[in-house]
Amino acid sequence: KNQVEQSPQSLIILEGKNCTLQCNYTVSPFSNLRWYKQDTGRGPVSLTIMTFSENTKSNGRYTATLDADTKQSSLHITASQLSDSASYICVVSHLSNDYKLSFGAGTTVTVRA
Amino acid sequence: DVKVTQSSRYLVKRTGEKVFLECVQDMDHENMFWYRQDPGLGLRLIYFSYDVKMKEKGDIPEGYSVSREKKERFSLILESASTNQTSMYLCASCPATGGHEQYFGPGTRLTVT
Repeated sequence: KNQVEQSPQSLIILEGKNCTLQCNYTVSPFSNLRWYKQDTGRGPVSLTIMTFSENTKSNGRYTATLDADTKQSSLHITASQLSDSASYICVVSHLSNDYKLSFGAGTTVTVRA
Repeated sequence: DVKVTQSSRYLVKRTGEKVFLECVQDMDHENMFWYRQDPGLGLRLIYFSYDVKMKEKGDIPEGYSVSREKKERFSLILESASTNQTSMYLCASCPATGGHEQYFGPGTRLTVT
């Protein structure tokens, strides 16, 4: 069973609207949680990183939250743009081994004009 | 900027062929990784290398081998390609010290017919 589950699998939003993506994980103990953005035909690029003690992190119009007690994270996209169309992947690293990463399957976001 | 390049964006091979996927990074990173990415699944680690000529199996090493003769180059080898190895292959690298982001290449989409 995957240790990182994301929802929804995909979503379509209109340009200018907001959306929130969810990530539930079972990795424990964990070192950090990252959200990556993967454009079509490209490799993933890190958007945000949060450690156990952080509960929010922003990168422009992207805001990630973390609740380590319930093992949930979310990524909020504000005032979406066409360039936000991509797959967003939640990635959790294991405390015992920083290089061991557990990846969610991703949420595909499509922004329409 | 970190740059991770992969030798081919698209590759079509026949069943039974030997396949080489090359990855080069220009940031003097000690660690390099090979993942495969399939629809509906998160990235899965095939192999990683923490130094020249050093390698460790990831979660799905069967049917693959790797080579790291130089620090900047990490090769993935499919000794006898099979149709179930049709996938997107992503290479990544990061420094040796813990907690660092893994930087990904653009990926190679391999089709085995």
